[in-house]
Amino acid sequence: NAGVMQNPRHLVRRRGQEARLRCSPMKGHSHVYWYRQLPEEGLKFMVYLQKENIIDESGMPKERFSAEFPKEGPSILRIQQVVRGDSAAYFCASSRGREETQYFGPGTRLLVL
Amino acid sequence: GEDVEQSLFLSVREGDSSVINCTYTDSSSTYLYWYKQEPGAGLQLLTYIFSNMDMKQDQRLTVLLNKKDKHLSLRIADTQTGDSAIYFCAETITSGTYKYIFGTGTRLKVLA
Repeated sequence: NAGVMQNPRHLVRRRGQEARLRCSPMKGHSHVYWYRQLPEEGLKFMVYLQKENIIDESGMPKERFSAEFPKEGPSILRIQQVVRGDSAAYFCASSRGREETQYFGPGTRLLVL
Repeated sequence: GEDVEQSLFLSVREGDSSVINCTYTDSSSTYLYWYKQEPGAGLQLLTYIFSNMDMKQDQRLTVLLNKKDKHLSLRIADTQTGDSAIYFCAETITSGTYKYIFGTGTRLKVLA
């Protein structure tokens, strides 16, 4: 029973490039959450999605960041025109239902040069 | 506001007990969680407690919950070097979106 999968595990981008982070939830899970962990800090909620719908994006920066969870395929977190401050670990979690335990993926560590 | 606080560091000797503390803010949290993060890795769910409980034991782990003081603790008995990691507590926010608010993490170092 595969857990939450994220890829790539490590991503290096130059300032101004785009970063695309993928998350495949656990089998049977239709709720996906993205969190960001800055160095030496805890995880901060970014966005909550269900299939084809963004439920809550209150933690996501208004510009340059977007997320989707299409009917088919993984959830994507997209960061346009990356800046050095975007360097962080981005974790995806999934759950079976709205108020059920979230299981986390291994994270994507983004480094912006 | 939403703020979960933890002490940053804890150092214990192998074989001793470790107690990691956490204070949270949302009295309506239904579940409170403990996660473990090893260097360069993701978050591993260790245990959780439902808000109507005051204690939960799971092998070497004991969770204590004081709802009145909004205080949560994780006790690790017979701490081993493999327990060295960062431990995060998380409260659940149920107003609006159901989401987790994490503490800053406690870095546990186990000395041989």
